[in-house]
Formats: sequence, structure tokens, C-alpha cells
Amino acid sequence: DIQMTQSPSSLSASVGDRVTIPCRASQSISNFLNWYQQKPGKAPKLLIYAASSLQSGVPSRFSGSGSGTDFTLTISSLQPEDFATYYCQQSSSTPWTFGQGTKVEIK
Amino acid sequence: EVQVLESGGGLVQPGGSLRLSCAASGFTYSIYAMSWVRQAPGKGLEWVSGIIGSGGSTYYADSVKGRFTISRDNSKKMLYLQMNSLRADDTAVYYCAKLSAIVVVPGGKMDVWGKGTTVTVSS
Repeated sequence: DIQMTQSPSSLSASVGDRVTIPCRASQSISNFLNWYQQKPGKAPKLLIYAASSLQSGVPSRFSGSGSGTDFTLTISSLQPEDFATYYCQQSSSTPWTFGQGTKVEIK
Repeated sequence: EVQVLESGGGLVQPGGSLRLSCAASGFTYSIYAMSWVRQAPGKGLEWVSGIIGSGGSTYYADSVKGRFTISRDNSKKMLYLQMNSLRADDTAVYYCAKLSAIVVVPGGKMDVWGKGTTVTVSS
């Protein structure tokens, strides 16, 4: 199975900060990498697919990059509604696997 | 509006069975793959199972293989997860999710999620 690693598990940031969240795959997954946002008590929401494509309706301050094994989610200017947990997920092969999540907290 | 809505969760004893259902609306159900994802209390997301649009191919996480069965009824726009031999570590919120394509791999993405249904396995 492909292991997905997100580190750190949490980070503190202020409104307006540029935030980058890394994700690493245990083997090459090409660009088959998705990012989801989850707020407490809510279902996950798709933000980025195919490593760098913005899902319809998602603000342009979110962007994704990377290929192979190393990927990054970037929030260019953190907004109050962006405090949440972010998960990467590989869809290169089954079983699909998620990273353990990175919680973005208010500094 | 494109929606999926889960039902069927509840309290079940270890070793018991439960069937989850997911009702789809607002889209041409038969041309999209579907998936189940779960989240144990205070933990991260875990993909459980997926099924292609026709129902002809199914996929499972190692942790549920042989115990869970995913199926779909395209005429009723329904997705199911039959869960047998339940264990305490199956306790979680179970989410139904629509994929954006007819196949699961490669490149599937879950673009519509339900609110989840809670399964508790305890004596």
C-alpha cells in the first residue's frame, strides 16, 4: 500500500499569512493527489485534484503543486474560514490512502 | 442540487452486522463511481471501499476486506455497505462520497460528500 505522510500534524498561523502544507508519498503517484479540507463536525470538502487543479467554487488563494512523491498545498493569504484540518489523498492505486492530516490553528 | 445522504448507522455488538445506505440525487447516478470513507472518533480519514459506475468492479481497504461488501442499485440511485463481523475499531462516522468519474482508479476524486452516519460497535 502507498503511505502518505503529512508533517507537521498541526501548525499555527495568523490571518493574512502564507501557509504551506507538505505531503509525501512512499512511492511515485504521478499527479494523482487530492487535497481536502475538513472543519469540526463537517464532511470533508475537495479543494485540489490532480495535484494542482482547483476544484470549482474553491477560492483562488488555494493552490497545489508537486508530482511524483512530494506535494504541497499553499494558502496564499489565510482567511478566518480557512482554520481547519487538511488531508492529502492518493488516487493512483487502491487502496486509496490519506495523510494523517494537518490542522491549521489560529496563532 | 447534487446530494448524497447516508442512513443506517447505529449501535451494534461486536461480531454483529449492519447495512449502511446512501441515497443519491441531482445527478446521473449510474455514470459515477462511488465510495465510502470513515473517520474514527478524533482520528483522520480512512478510505473504506469504492465501486465503479456499473457496479462491475469493487475495491476495499485491507482492514475491511472479507468483512464489508459494497454494492449499488442504479435503478434506485442507492449505494450500500454491508458490514459483517464488526469490531470495536470499526466505530466511526461513515461518509458516502460521489466520485467525479465512472472509474475509481487512477485519478478518482471525491467531489460530493454526505453528512455521515455514525456506527458504534460496543457491547
